Amino acid sequence: KNEVEQSPQNLTAQEGEFITINCSYSVGISALHWLQQHPGGGIVSLFMLSSGKKKHGRLIATINIQEKHSSLHITASHPRDSAVYICTRPPPAQGGSEKLVFGKGTKLTVNP
Amino acid sequence: NAGVTQTPKFRILKIGQSMTLQCTQDMNHNYMYWYRQDPGMGLKLIYYSVGAGITDKGEVPNGYNVSRSTTEDFPLRLELAAPSQTSVYFCASSRLAGGVFDEQFFGPGTRLTVL
Repeated sequence: KNEVEQSPQNLTAQEGEFITINCSYSVGISALHWLQQHPGGGIVSLFMLSSGKKKHGRLIATINIQEKHSSLHITASHPRDSAVYICTRPPPAQGGSEKLVFGKGTKLTVNP
Repeated sequence: NAGVTQTPKFRILKIGQSMTLQCTQDMNHNYMYWYRQDPGMGLKLIYYSVGAGITDKGEVPNGYNVSRSTTEDFPLRLELAAPSQTSVYFCASSRLAGGVFDEQFFGPGTRLTVL
């Protein structure tokens, strides 16, 4: 079992819809990182959060450390939001034995 | 700041050849990472470094070597290229400040094909 699980794997929405992507993890962590990978392959950091909520434009990320769950929300979705969204726990400190660091990603397609 | 830069962008290798993928960051980050992403798959950690002179294996280190002689540079070496190493390679960096990890910054990637 992966330490980081994302759902759904694929998501198709109509422009303007509210989007939610979920991330659950099985080990205790201090923070979670959300990434966006564009269709061209580039990877952009969206949020690093350790508690509560963060907002940037139409993107909102929340985390509940006790429940080991994080969500990424997109309000008023747009076709340019089409990308793969990846959650990951922070990189390992030296000597760590972590196997899978990244969730497998959620592929979002927003149709006009 | 240029952020994280990688060279080359594309490369085709023959089986058994060797090459070095270059990665440089100008943000004075102490942590640097190499990932590979196979077609349609997620990112997998190959090696990482917590500072100059210190490196450690990630999830899939076999067939690769790294070094970190400076804070800025973290090259990845493939000694005997195999078709299984056909992938897109991403370098990333981040910092640990006050015991808390900051976000990772990714390079544009190197697309490697081994024939």
